[in-house]
Formats: sequence, structure tokens, C-alpha cells
Amino acid sequence: DTGVSQDPRHKITKRGQNVTFRCDPISEHNRLYWYRQTLGQGPEFLTYFQNEAQLEKSRLLSDRFSAERPKGSFSTLEIQRTEQGDSAMYLCASSLGQLGPEAFFGQGTRLTVV
Amino acid sequence: DQQVKQNSPSLSVQEGRISILNCDYTNSMFDYFLWYKKYPAEGPTFLISISSIKDKNEDGRFTVFLNKSAKHLSLHIVPSQPGDSAVYFCAASTEPNAGGTSYGKLTFGQGTILTVHP
Repeated sequence: DTGVSQDPRHKITKRGQNVTFRCDPISEHNRLYWYRQTLGQGPEFLTYFQNEAQLEKSRLLSDRFSAERPKGSFSTLEIQRTEQGDSAMYLCASSLGQLGPEAFFGQGTRLTVV
Repeated sequence: DQQVKQNSPSLSVQEGRISILNCDYTNSMFDYFLWYKKYPAEGPTFLISISSIKDKNEDGRFTVFLNKSAKHLSLHIVPSQPGDSAVYFCAASTEPNAGGTSYGKLTFGQGTILTVHP
């Protein structure tokens, strides 16, 4: 498999619960990004890693959100105490940052908070 | 503060004709631009990109034009096919940080829904 893989594809959770998503990037890519997309909008940047280092977080990212990439390979995005406003598509992408910003996206995780 | 704008929410085109999708940006620090295509329930798929040192880049049926002075780019699809029907996003990135060598995050527009009729 040469693409970006995300798990799960869909998640329905009750308000107040914690959820965790996983992303497996393209193996040789050192950059990994998380984006969020809501209906009618383009993907919105959340955070990114170069190898295991988290280089930037959006100032819009609530403290309830945390991301890790412990060994510079897969990444997890956790949302604590979910709210209905967290309902969105969460997209992971990876790239070889040195060659340009072209990032390749996974199929996303659709989160619904009820 | 929408730094990348796609002012046309939708575009309808006849098969075989040209589709022109437009994008405007406000941040003069952007120097690399990309187009992505997205089908429902899938992640965006990279289509074509252009660096600010160029004004045109072509890949098969897809051509991207960049007008830096107007802060405007466009994607031309010729000829359009029904399979091109999707949401198209333009995105922009800044050059590597001083002392760095890697590009960073992408800033996306809101998207344009393209429908190509047979």
C-alpha cells in the first residue's frame, strides 16, 4: 500500500467522550499534517510534524486536541471531551517537505458527535 | 480572514468544452500554488502545482495559470469530461522558513463544485 491510510473511516461518539484517530503516512514521507474539513469549506490546517517533532499548531486548535507522532512514522490525533462543534472530516496528509508542499491525503475520518 | 478565495461555489460545463476555475489570494508571501480535486467521502487528490517563478504549468488536460501581480490563479481543464465532476480546491504555501529547507502547511480556498454534463 503506497497511500496515506486513516483509521477509522467513520466515528460516532457521544458528547463528552474522548476519541482517537490514527494516520499512517506514505513510508518515505517525513512530513505529516492534520487538517479538518467542515461542509462547504476547504480543509483547515490543524498541526504538522517533521519526523517526530511537532513543528506548528494552529492557533485555532483547542487544548482538547492533541497529536503525536512518537517514532516519526504513524500519528494519532486525540480529541478530549468532544463537543458537537467537533463534528467534521479529519484529514491526514504526508509529504516530502524538501521537494515542495505537494501533500497526499488519506480518505479521512468522519467524526459525528451526538 | 480568508487568505485564499474561490468566489464561484459552482460551475457547470458541457462535456468536451473548457472548464475554468478561478482562485484569488491575499497573502503576498504565498509562492507555491496547488490544485486538488475531491470526490465525496474521499480525501483531496493532488492535481497540479505551480511555483511563483512561473506563470503557466501544464499536465495533460490540466493547465494552471498564475498572475502574481493580480494575485490570481486559474485552472483550465480541456476537454472537460464527466469524470472531472468533483469539488476543486486551490491551495497556497509559503516558501521555506529562513534557514530551513522544507515547505509548510497549505492554506485552502472554499472549493468550487464542477459539474460536467454529458
